[in-house]
Amino acid sequence: QAQIQQWGAGPLKPSASLSLTCTVSETPFRDFLWTWIRQPPGKGLEWIGDVNERGFARYNPSLKSRVGQLVDTSGNKFQLRMTSMTGADTAVYYCVKGTQTSPFDNWGQGSLVTVSS
Amino acid sequence: QAAVTQDPSLTVSPGGTITLTCGADTGPLTSDQSVYWFQQKPGQAPRTLIYDGTKKSSWTPARFSGSVLGGTAALTLSGAQPDDEGDYYCLVAFNSGPRVFGGGTRLTVV
Repeated sequence: QAQIQQWGAGPLKPSASLSLTCTVSETPFRDFLWTWIRQPPGKGLEWIGDVNERGFARYNPSLKSRVGQLVDTSGNKFQLRMTSMTGADTAVYYCVKGTQTSPFDNWGQGSLVTVSS
Repeated sequence: QAAVTQDPSLTVSPGGTITLTCGADTGPLTSDQSVYWFQQKPGQAPRTLIYDGTKKSSWTPARFSGSVLGGTAALTLSGAQPDDEGDYYCLVAFNSGPRVFGGGTRLTVV
């Protein structure tokens, strides 16, 4: 299983925008699904959204107005953008790659995003 | 948005059997809704244990099994080992809509 690389994390100031990228080096699949999940410190997991090989995206309704997801046609690069960040968005953000039948096969290592003035 | 419920914490003796449950406040889980189970240990990313309710990932030990009975999803651990301590999360895929995590169950083996 190819390893997913995540980057783009770093301290952010309130109201700034977040940009995270995940890549994986593997033979492109016709069918894939990329998912973003986050976990505030000491708390549980929260599903942010996902996007498939056709570019069809789903979002957590509570985050939808602030979130965008981009995936390239090979399915090997996936980006998350989130606007108007606040302290409540401080979390470890995970990207996960899978397929429609097995959506959560391959987890990234996680990126800590801290929002603080 | 629907809420998914899990027991906050459970304890099992080494070698014992325990069942973790996962339900939705919208009512009994149906065949249109897929359930996933994840294991997370401190400082690590989660790992997928069970997908589509009952199917095991390639790494999932045989002592774990998933089921959906009576509208509730369950993860059963038979023959618990100290290495099974950690947090367990279920996720419910509500048809083609959003996915929702349960709050997680902290499992202690002692």
